Amino acid sequence: QVQLVESGGGVVQPGGSLRLSCAASGFTFSSYGMHWVRQAPGKGLEWVAFIRYDGSNKYYADSVKGRFTISRDNSKNTLYLQMNSLRAEDTAVYYCAKPPPRVKCFQHWGQGTLVTVSS
Amino acid sequence: DIQMTQSPSSLSASVGDRVTITCRASQSISSYLNWYQQKPGKAPKLLIYAASSLQSGVPSRFSGSGSGTDFTLTISSLQPEDFATYYCQQSYSTPSITFGQGTRLEIK
Repeated sequence: QVQLVESGGGVVQPGGSLRLSCAASGFTFSSYGMHWVRQAPGKGLEWVAFIRYDGSNKYYADSVKGRFTISRDNSKNTLYLQMNSLRAEDTAVYYCAKPPPRVKCFQHWGQGTLVTVSS
Repeated sequence: DIQMTQSPSSLSASVGDRVTITCRASQSISSYLNWYQQKPGKAPKLLIYAASSLQSGVPSRFSGSGSGTDFTLTISSLQPEDFATYYCQQSYSTPSITFGQGTRLEIK
């Protein structure tokens, strides 16, 4: 079955960097666009970034544009989120999410990885 | 950006109650509206997609309706496992997706 496993979270100082990974299995990873979604502690869900199946196009929320970079390695079935110039407001659980075929929604989610930006 | 507004923000109800949560979009989004359930410490779970289609494996007491700007999620008879937070999400402007602020459903 579909499995998404995030890793790479941790505590980082303001202005620092972190790279998150999402290991995918149970489906043809190279056929699907993939998303990152985050959730600040006690807050709602916020879409962060999307990458097309082949990495040809990338899209970002205004709140992270210019600081975060989404990428993928289809040979390793892995999605990445490079986060630079981190701010306290980037503190959140970060989820990778996969849509189903031909439907615009998030059918599968990882368990999430917590990023804490604090001095 | 398309703004999504849910109401109420929180709701107290009893087992067996019929509950309705509403979601309003700042512009027409056709039927590109999805609903998720989230329990503490867990990832969201897809309940309804395309406004009214029930995700496989989701109990039939959950239903969705609406189109354009106004949508509803209805739980016909609340069960103990339904107490959670519910989010609507528009996918009209995919990949730039927005969520509602959430509705916390609590036990009365």
